[in-house]
Amino acid sequence: DAGVTQSPTHLIKTRGQQVTLRCSPKSGHDTVSWYQQALGQGPQFIFQYYEEEERQRGNFPDRFSGHQFPNYSSELNVNALLLGDSALYLCASTDLTRNTEAFFGQGTRLTVV
Amino acid sequence: SQQGEEDPQALSIQEGENATMNCSYKTSINNLQWYRQNSGRGLVHLILIRSNEREKHSGRLRVTLDTSKKSSSLLITASRAADTASYFCATDIEPSDLFYSGGGADGLTFGKGTHLIIQP
Repeated sequence: DAGVTQSPTHLIKTRGQQVTLRCSPKSGHDTVSWYQQALGQGPQFIFQYYEEEERQRGNFPDRFSGHQFPNYSSELNVNALLLGDSALYLCASTDLTRNTEAFFGQGTRLTVV
Repeated sequence: SQQGEEDPQALSIQEGENATMNCSYKTSINNLQWYRQNSGRGLVHLILIRSNEREKHSGRLRVTLDTSKKSSSLLITASRAADTASYFCATDIEPSDLFYSGGGADGLTFGKGTHLIIQP
């Protein structure tokens, strides 16, 4: 079982650019959530996808958008990058029908310069 | 706002000692989860305790939940150097912290974590 996989592991972007991060959920999981973790802070919920639709959204601007594919994998897109978007972006997957705990990937470290 | 807050922020103990971390939260919960994070990498799920449970064990881990005090504690017994990490408690995100919710599983809200250092 590969668990939750994220790519890339590290990324450096310039302010104003756009970035796409990718996540493959744990086998058998159908729900994907994205979190942003700034240095020294706990993760903050961005949004959650189930059945290819955004089901919940935290208080993040619409520069943050996402997508879920039929195979349950997901993308996080961030437009017009700001220096403050530099963070570790974590993907978590769960099985909605079984209400399991959330399993996290290793994250993508995004640095905006 | 953050639902869960861990205490202490940092804890340094000798290998072999027990480590206790506490978590307080604000509103009613369905369950509470504890996670470990090594060096800014992914979160590893440790244990989930449901609101109708008071205590749960997993190996060297013992978690308690007191819903009347809105608090939980994580005890790591016989600590090892490999236990050095940040520990977070997580609960269902408060509706007030959501821009919107269209159903589905609840997102999680985390505290700032307890950074645990085990001295060899």
